[in-house]
This record gives sequence, structure tokens and C-alpha cells, in this order.
Amino acid sequence: DTAVSQTPKYLVTQMGNDKSIKCEQNLGHDTMYWYKQDSKKFLKIMFSYNNKELIINETVPNRFSPKSPDKAHLNLHINSLELGDSAVYFCASSRKGRTGTYEQYFGPGTRLTVT
Amino acid sequence: QQQVKQSPQSLIVQKGGISIINCAYENTAFDYFPWYQQFPGKGPALLIAIRPDVSEKKEGRFTISFNKSAKQFSLHIMDSQPGDSATYFCAAPSKGSTLGRLYFGRGTQLTVWP
Repeated sequence: DTAVSQTPKYLVTQMGNDKSIKCEQNLGHDTMYWYKQDSKKFLKIMFSYNNKELIINETVPNRFSPKSPDKAHLNLHINSLELGDSAVYFCASSRKGRTGTYEQYFGPGTRLTVT
Repeated sequence: QQQVKQSPQSLIVQKGGISIINCAYENTAFDYFPWYQQFPGKGPALLIAIRPDVSEKKEGRFTISFNKSAKQFSLHIMDSQPGDSATYFCAAPSKGSTLGRLYFGRGTQLTVWP
């Protein structure tokens, strides 16, 4: 009964490579997000999609490109990986709760290590 | 501009004690203030949330207190247990129509000693 899943869980790669992280949610939510969590645990939003439409695009290098093939999936492709991209990347999804507020549910994370 | 300021950065409490984490918000929407709990190697999980029409919300050992005039809200963990050791994040929603966007605090690393 996985809610938000990500693959892979760990990703080790060399500088300059291109890699992708996949995210799927089976909660029926309309909105999905990508966050980056650095070594100090700071959660920084990168992108958000609502019904496959990009609604948040933070100041992120254009080497990062999200793609949402349908509202249950949000993938993240990273070109020309750099050392500073090493972090844990979290996917999340949200729905409008009974009280009218949005509750976010996070995936287990993908730990990316660039060597 | 940091919309949510969280303190302390780290907290060490003895088993059975009270853990208190504080957050202050500015330039955010005013309808929902959640707390998230993150264990090592896991994603953040929604722990408890409060709407500003109440000053306090309690769920088991966890209580959120809300001070509208001071623009602050805090998490109290009563009878803290070693299993509560985790990183806690407060959050506040963004203004405007950005659906569900949350501004997170920088997190508090809680360690509960047995």
C-alpha cells in the first residue's frame, strides 16, 4: 500500500553524467513536488506540478528538468551532474484536506552522490 | 527572505522530559501550520497540524500552541521518549494561489536520552 514511491533509493554517479529519478503516487493527488534536502537537512522546494502543469519552478539550474507524464507520476532528469548536486531528493504529493488545506505526503527519498 | 524561522537547531532532552520547538512566521498565508517528523533515512511525515482559529491542538503526547499576535507556533512533546528522536520541521503555507506550497523551517534535531 505504498503511497509515494521513488526509484532509485540510492544513486552514485560521476560528474558530467545524466541521471533520472522517478516518482509515483497512488493517492489520487493532483499536485506533486520535488524537494532537495542538503546535508544540513534544509528542505528546498524545486518544482511543483498540478495536473501535469508546472506551477512552481524555483531558481534551479536548467540542468534539472522535471517531467509529469500524468498526474500520478513526476520524474526528475538531471544533466551534466556536478558535485554540488549531491543531496537527498524527495518527491511529495498533496491533496486538499477536509479543512481546505493542503497536506503533503513525502516519498522515501533518493540519495544522490556525485563523485 | 526566510518566511519561517525555527529554533532551536538541536535539542537534547532526557526521557520523560518536555521537548519544545518554536517557529515564527511572516509573509505567509494564515490557514494551516503543520509539523513534520523525519527519521534518519526516511522522508518527512506529517505529524500534527493546526488551523489558526484555535490556540492549541493536542494529539496524544504532541501539542501545537499557536500565538496569533506574536506570529509564532510551537510544538510540545510531553513525556519525551527515545523513539521521538528525529528531525522536526515546522511549515507554513505560501500566500497566493500556488497550490499547497509550504515554506519549511530549517529543522530541529531532537535527541531523547534514555
